[in-house]
Amino acid sequence: NAGVTQTPKFQVLKTGQSMTLQCAQDMNHEYMSWYRQDPGMGLRLIHYSVGAGITDQGEVPNGYNVSRSTTEDFPLRLLSAAPSQTSVYFCASSYSTETHYGYTFGSGTRLTVV
Amino acid sequence: GESVGLHLPTLSVQEGDNSIINCAYSNSASDYFIWYKQESGKGPQFIIDIRSNMDKRQGQRVTVLLNKTVKHLSLQIAATQPGDSAVYFCADWGSQTSGSRLTFGEGTQLTVNP
Repeated sequence: NAGVTQTPKFQVLKTGQSMTLQCAQDMNHEYMSWYRQDPGMGLRLIHYSVGAGITDQGEVPNGYNVSRSTTEDFPLRLLSAAPSQTSVYFCASSYSTETHYGYTFGSGTRLTVV
Repeated sequence: GESVGLHLPTLSVQEGDNSIINCAYSNSASDYFIWYKQESGKGPQFIIDIRSNMDKRQGQRVTVLLNKTVKHLSLQIAATQPGDSAVYFCADWGSQTSGSRLTFGEGTQLTVNP
């Protein structure tokens, strides 16, 4: 099925551990992004990419790294997990940076840092 | 700085009534707005969008109104159904000068009572 696939769906980390949240899309979308959603709040942009080899910071980039070696994949790396990074993470993609009509979100990764 | 906010965190309506969800934005240069619906445990789902050269756009049972003078937009849902119960977010796709990013409001929890 076409769409945005995020793995894992759930993850528990200890403080200081590192991990990578995976995001893949099979719609040949150029634009991909990562958001975090905290309880009672809207989504906040972490990092985004307008195409393979191009990434940029969003609103809350500290503690996260991204890379975009292929059009399909946009992994998010937590360098040294902290309790403040406990959140639900959403990956999204769109075929264009000019419109979000085709903006598709994954189902999310729920991360808990203890 | 930029912000996108909603007037009310919760809204409760009777099945069959019309619902109106409001949103204010601060960036007068914003030129594209989107409404999303997020059901529990899922990623946001596109509902309807509107560009700044329009003041109204209609979809199936939904209408978005944009008032650029007071920097306000609203989502109207006609004949609200139990399946409409969700959190609704407005999002602001900033102008090209502000970069290619989507800024979300905090969300309004819509509850539809049978």
